[in-house]
Amino acid sequence: AQTVTQSQPEMSVQEAETVTLSCTYDTSESDYYLFWYKQPPSRQMILVIRQEAYKQQNATENRFSVNFQKAAKSFSLKISDSQLGDAAMYFCAYRSANFGNEKLTFGTGTRLTIIP
Amino acid sequence: DSGVTQTPKHLITATGQRVTLRCSPRSGDLSVYWYQQSLDQGLQFLIQYYNGEERAKGNILERFSAQQFPDLHSELNLSSLELGDSALYFCASGGPDSTYGYTFGSGTRLTVV
Repeated sequence: AQTVTQSQPEMSVQEAETVTLSCTYDTSESDYYLFWYKQPPSRQMILVIRQEAYKQQNATENRFSVNFQKAAKSFSLKISDSQLGDAAMYFCAYRSANFGNEKLTFGTGTRLTIIP
Repeated sequence: DSGVTQTPKHLITATGQRVTLRCSPRSGDLSVYWYQQSLDQGLQFLIQYYNGEERAKGNILERFSAQQFPDLHSELNLSSLELGDSALYFCASGGPDSTYGYTFGSGTRLTVV
């Protein structure tokens, strides 16, 4: 079974600064997908960014980028120019590429606080 | 609006009771996933339905059951409720090729008193 670990329960960053959230995962599969989801106080789950394991290029979405290290099974999220609206819980998630095993496996989350 | 509709948004009920949570997936999505999020915890996968059939099962209690109807909406039935069942229950939907992630509903907050 796959597991996802987020070792930072809480992080804080000054507004306009850069912060990196860590995520590691354990799998014996070679093909899979990784995601970062954001959960603001509204509790809505919002997809931030995704990465395909077979792609070496790190995904980017505006101020959000990832550092995907497949051999190390590491998938960190970098948020640049942090804004007050970035304050939320951030969840790392894993999805197998195997047919019939499409569920998302989540980490326990990192609570990000933005300091004005 | 994510396109995934969950009702009700809030539910308060007593121990021992039974409740039904409803989810309408985004148009065109065939898969429905149910997740449970206890207070300040991660999301635990309960069960997946694909086009009316059960596809995968997670840590779902025997007191819980689900089904997906021909119109693709899904219901999660929780019975003999206990205090520990209080949680946020999410439904997510995905298309035939859901490699782009799933769309989540806004959740149902269940409080068992």
